[in-house]
Amino acid sequence: DAGITQSPRHKVTETGTPVTLRCHQTENHRYMYWYRQDPGHGLRLIHYSYGVKDTDKGEVSDGYSVSRSKTEDFLLTLESATSSQTSVYFCAISDGASNEKLFFGSGTQLSVL
Amino acid sequence: AQTVTQSQPEMSVQEAETVTLSCTYDTSESDYYLFWYKQPPSRQMILVIRQEAYKQQNATENRFSVNFQKAAKSFSLKISDSQLGDAAMYFCARSETGANNLFFGTGTRLTVIP
Repeated sequence: DAGITQSPRHKVTETGTPVTLRCHQTENHRYMYWYRQDPGHGLRLIHYSYGVKDTDKGEVSDGYSVSRSKTEDFLLTLESATSSQTSVYFCAISDGASNEKLFFGSGTQLSVL
Repeated sequence: AQTVTQSQPEMSVQEAETVTLSCTYDTSESDYYLFWYKQPPSRQMILVIRQEAYKQQNATENRFSVNFQKAAKSFSLKISDSQLGDAAMYFCARSETGANNLFFGTGTRLTVIP
């Protein structure tokens, strides 16, 4: 596996609480991504980063923010979790801008009650 | 809308037989990449095969091959000599050169029957 670690692997939280998911890579890849996976939707891009402190929105970014203070770390924050954010969250990395080859982490199952 | 369509939610195949998973996509670009990812019960997303749109030759990786029809915007995955370990959810995906997104289909769940 590419060196990608997501934490936590599972999390249960309550509506209205803030949640932060972490992605750590040891590959020194420039690009990092956060996707969510939902039945009937496949995977959809939330946010991505193309360098330290350089981030941009994906197609489902509402309710999420990200930060990248170091090349190896990419954080996804749910400011106030809602039940619609119950999902499996995947971090991915790439060394090229063209998504020529994405490597994925093992995912975080988040349940918002 | 940029879409990737997998019209087969579920497929099954007998062990050692061949199965083909379908995928169609929408794009206005001439240069892009197509992918098949495998997601076993472990939830890990594993790249199975990749096709560059400007290449006419169909990609092959051991027992996995694709049938890429650019004009028809079709990208099917053929698995030969199916094995029990091939049982998984398979996702078709498309990207575009210079873009920073990968568009996924909704997946096909493949069952391998012993």
